[in-house]
Amino acid sequence: DVKVTQSSRYLVKRTGEKVFLECVQDMDHENMFWYRQDPGLGLRLIYFSYDVKMKEKGDIPEGYSVSREKKERFSLILESASTNQTSMYLCASRRTGLSYNEQFFGPGTRLTVL
Amino acid sequence: SQQGEEDPQALSIQEGENATMNCSYKTSINNLQWYRQNSGRGLVHLILIRSNEREKHSGRLRVTLDTSKKSSSLLITASRAADTASYFCVTGFQKLVFGTGTRLLVSP
Repeated sequence: DVKVTQSSRYLVKRTGEKVFLECVQDMDHENMFWYRQDPGLGLRLIYFSYDVKMKEKGDIPEGYSVSREKKERFSLILESASTNQTSMYLCASRRTGLSYNEQFFGPGTRLTVL
Repeated sequence: SQQGEEDPQALSIQEGENATMNCSYKTSINNLQWYRQNSGRGLVHLILIRSNEREKHSGRLRVTLDTSKKSSSLLITASRAADTASYFCVTGFQKLVFGTGTRLLVSP
């Protein structure tokens, strides 16, 4: 069974802290994604990665960075957390190739920045 | 943006009834997907319909696609309480674009 795991379900941080959100997939997928989900705005893509050490900005990359040192792990970094980054963060992975469209999502991390 | 817009935003029905959700999108597509999100299983893929298909079935799900109207519908037949969730239509390929979703409540 495919599996995407995220390091925390709930996280509370203070403004200005550096925050790491970790995502691991066990499906040997090339592509990985970070989204945030906010009421009324749906899911918005922050960053994605086609392969190890490769990354591309999504629609809302400001205030975030990512790291992909190993194929199975994709980390989202908030360099200096702010209250407007309070949100649900979802990680996803997908096999590369035209025949593969489905993304597999992790359970999400609900981050609160105080 | 080719964000989809689902209609209605919320839907409340009784078990056994059918639920229909609609989606409109803005730009041309190669395919359209529907995802479901609930607190138990998170966000999961339900079904994909390609631009050259008009209708597709999967179990109790029926999806239609009208590319001339840039719209799609998801029908859930004989709904169950476990179908209570938010449903999203999704376009895009590498970069998925999610609509804001329809919240479905199925009461026993």
